[in-house]
Amino acid sequence: GQNIDQPTEMTATEGAIVQINCTYQTSGFNGLFWYQQHAGEAPTFLSYNVLDGLEEKGRFSSFLSRSKGYSYLLLKELQMKDSASYLCAVRDEGQAGTALIFGKGTTLSVSS
Amino acid sequence: EPEVTQTPSHQVTQMGQEVILRCVPISNHLYFYWYRQILGQKVEFLVSFYNNEISEKSEIFDDQFSVERPDGSNFTLKIRSTKLEDSAMYFCASSPTSYNEQFFGPGTRLTVL
Repeated sequence: GQNIDQPTEMTATEGAIVQINCTYQTSGFNGLFWYQQHAGEAPTFLSYNVLDGLEEKGRFSSFLSRSKGYSYLLLKELQMKDSASYLCAVRDEGQAGTALIFGKGTTLSVSS
Repeated sequence: EPEVTQTPSHQVTQMGQEVILRCVPISNHLYFYWYRQILGQKVEFLVSFYNNEISEKSEIFDDQFSVERPDGSNFTLKIRSTKLEDSAMYFCASSPTSYNEQFFGPGTRLTVL
């Protein structure tokens, strides 16, 4: 079966660093994505890992360990606008390998 | 910057009616998708479409659903005989290849009464 786990909620203060973890058990694996979703809006792409290791993109970094079925998203220098849901998604290795399987998302609240 | 567009932004329909949700993917993208998100729940994959045919579909995408690319720009999702549980936000997405990130449209909020 497909299972992607993330914490439901996290809180942090402006300027801090926060790490959002994601573990997955899926029948296939063809890449892991992180998306940001503000309430009532569409998911927007943040980062992508297909090989083990760290990918850095400005204030955001994402790490993947395929052997552990584990990823994290690291957000640095938090700003109020970072308050949103962060979605971990695994690209399944189906017939065409294009479907994204999403976790339930982690709602991050940033306070001043 | 090019973006995926969707119409309408909101659709209210009566149970049993047919609805068509419309999407215009980014122009040079080749892969198209529909996802849905029931309020407060996770984003769920419905179907992917490539080269004018369905490439993958989920268990949710049963016989009441169909997709079509009627011309060179539009991509539609039809839901026949809507049910109360079809109420959700429906997102269209596109990607240039099967390996790139998927770009999501703003969604259509469907309410079935």
